[in-house]
Amino acid sequence: EIVLTQSPATLSLSPGERATLSCRASQTITSFLAWYQQQPGQAPRLLIYDASNRATGIPARFTGSGSGTDFTLTISSLEPEDFAVYYCQQRKSWPRTFGPGTKVDIK
Amino acid sequence: EVQLVESGGGLVQPGGSLRLSCAASGFTFSSYHMNWVRQAPGKGLEWVSHIDMSSGDIHYADSVKGRFTISRDNAKNLLYLQMNSLRDEDTAVYYCARLTRLWWEDYWGQGTLVTVSS
Repeated sequence: EIVLTQSPATLSLSPGERATLSCRASQTITSFLAWYQQQPGQAPRLLIYDASNRATGIPARFTGSGSGTDFTLTISSLEPEDFAVYYCQQRKSWPRTFGPGTKVDIK
Repeated sequence: EVQLVESGGGLVQPGGSLRLSCAASGFTFSSYHMNWVRQAPGKGLEWVSHIDMSSGDIHYADSVKGRFTISRDNAKNLLYLQMNSLRDEDTAVYYCARLTRLWWEDYWGQGTLVTVSS
């Protein structure tokens, strides 16, 4: 099973600041990684797929990068609605696995 | 508009069974692969099971293998998850999700809560 590790667990930032979230895989997953955002009480929302492609309707301030085992989600300037939990997920091999999540909260 | 609506959750005793349903609308259900994903209270996301559009390719997480069965009825636009031998650790919100052509979950239901407790 491929294990995904996310860091930091919590990121405390102010609106307008830049957020950098990391996801590391226990073995290479090439570019088979996605990022999801989850607001409290809501279902996850697909942000980035195949490491660097924004999903439909996702603002340009969200950028995904990386390949192999190290990936990054960058939010260039945090908007109030961006404070949420972010998960990475791999689909390189079964079982599909999620990282434990990074909570971005308001400083 | 794409819609996924889960139902069938509730309180069940350990060792019991439950069948979840996911009603799909707004898209050609038979043309999409589907997943179940769950989230225990206050915890992260856990992929549970996958079924391809024709029910020919099915996968399960090790934690549910042998106890859960995924299926679908393309004529009725329904996805199912039959859960047997339920354990306390199966307590979670269960989401059904549609997969994109590139195999990512692009639409999710609102989830249905399953509580396993005596």
